[in-house]
Amino acid sequence: AQSVTQLGSHVSVSEGALVLLRCNYSSSVPPYLFWYVQYPNQGLQLLLKYTTGATLVKGINGFEAEFKKSETSFHLTKPSAHMSDAAEYFCAVSLTSTGNQFYFGTGTSLTVIP
Amino acid sequence: DTEVTQTPKHLVMGMTNKKSLKCEQHMGHRAMYWYKQKAKKPPELMFVYSYEKLSINESVPSRFSPECPNSSLLNLHLHALQPEDSALYLCASSQKGARTEAFFGQGTRLTVV
Repeated sequence: AQSVTQLGSHVSVSEGALVLLRCNYSSSVPPYLFWYVQYPNQGLQLLLKYTTGATLVKGINGFEAEFKKSETSFHLTKPSAHMSDAAEYFCAVSLTSTGNQFYFGTGTSLTVIP
Repeated sequence: DTEVTQTPKHLVMGMTNKKSLKCEQHMGHRAMYWYKQKAKKPPELMFVYSYEKLSINESVPSRFSPECPNSSLLNLHLHALQPEDSALYLCASSQKGARTEAFFGQGTRLTVV
């Protein structure tokens, strides 16, 4: 079964520092991968997605992620953290066999220290 | 319009009540989803509708009954819930196909007393 694993349930960074949130996928075929952000008491907002093509994907709010097949990874990065980045981040996979099934990793809570 | 609208935003219900959660989208999406999210946990897939037909039921108890009256609306009927069913219920929609992202509503915060 396809799944995603997020390493680190809590990450703290200083304001202005690099943000790195880790996601590894388990699949025998390239999956379709997504990063979502969730602010308290809100729904999920798409940050970026990888389907095919360029492996470096740029998203909203200065985030980007690189699909690395050799490492089965899709880590999320941002060069400089802002206080407003504090939120819960979820990596998600869409199954290719049937489509339209989104399964989420366990999430990473990002804290930004002023 | 890229919104998925869920009503109500908050709901408190007793264990003998019957209530419904509603979800609406006008993006022409033909796949719609219900997710359950407990505090500090990821969303868990409950149901998937594809072209108004139930395509996936992730072994959800029968006290949760989904309905898709048309391509824009998705309901979740609730009956005889338990306190452990208290959670944030999220609706989402997407185009058909695995490459497309899901758009999420703001959720309904359900409390069962």
